[in-house]
Amino acid sequence: AQSVTQLGSHVSVSEGALVLLRCNYSSSVPPYLFWYVQYPNQGLQLLLKYTTGATLVKGINGFEAEFKKSETSFHLTKPSAHMSDAAEYFCAVRGGKNQGGSEKLVFGKGTKLTVNP
Amino acid sequence: NAGVTQTPKFQVLKTGQSMTLQCAQDMNHNSMYWYRQDPGMGLRLIYYSASEGTTDKGEVPNGYNVSRLNKREFSLRLESAAPSQTSVYFCASSEAVRGPSPLHFGNGTRLTVT
Repeated sequence: AQSVTQLGSHVSVSEGALVLLRCNYSSSVPPYLFWYVQYPNQGLQLLLKYTTGATLVKGINGFEAEFKKSETSFHLTKPSAHMSDAAEYFCAVRGGKNQGGSEKLVFGKGTKLTVNP
Repeated sequence: NAGVTQTPKFQVLKTGQSMTLQCAQDMNHNSMYWYRQDPGMGLRLIYYSASEGTTDKGEVPNGYNVSRLNKREFSLRLESAAPSQTSVYFCASSEAVRGPSPLHFGNGTRLTVT
């Protein structure tokens, strides 16, 4: 069965510092991996996704993530944090089956990022 | 571009009352979903519709019903609300239910059941 673990429910960084949000997954099939961001009182927005091919994936707002099969990881990074990056971030893996037979999208429990001035 | 539109934004119900959450998308997506989001639990799938005319249960379907009214609209009904259904509900859509197709989310409905 597919599962996602996000290490750290809260991460705090200073403005200008490196952002690193950790995601480990388990999947019985080659996974599709996603990072979503949720700003207060809004829905989730896609930051980036990994399907196949290049393992370093670039997304919006300067974020990128690297797929490491050997480590079953898909960590999200940004070289320099901005105040506007404060939000909650969700890692997700697509694979496995829902009751109706479609592929299941499993979300991690989220990491809330705080950026300090 | 409106994307995915949910109504209402906020709702307070008494235990036992019923209500329908509405969702519409204008991206011509085939698949639509209802999730609930609770603190520390992430997002959990309630029901989904792979295509117009089909609906299937997700992870937490008990206490809910859905209707895929047409390709654009997917509603979620609570027949007899319970305090355990206090949550934030998100509707989402995607081109397909498999593969790398990402989900597009609405802004949510914040429901409180007293």
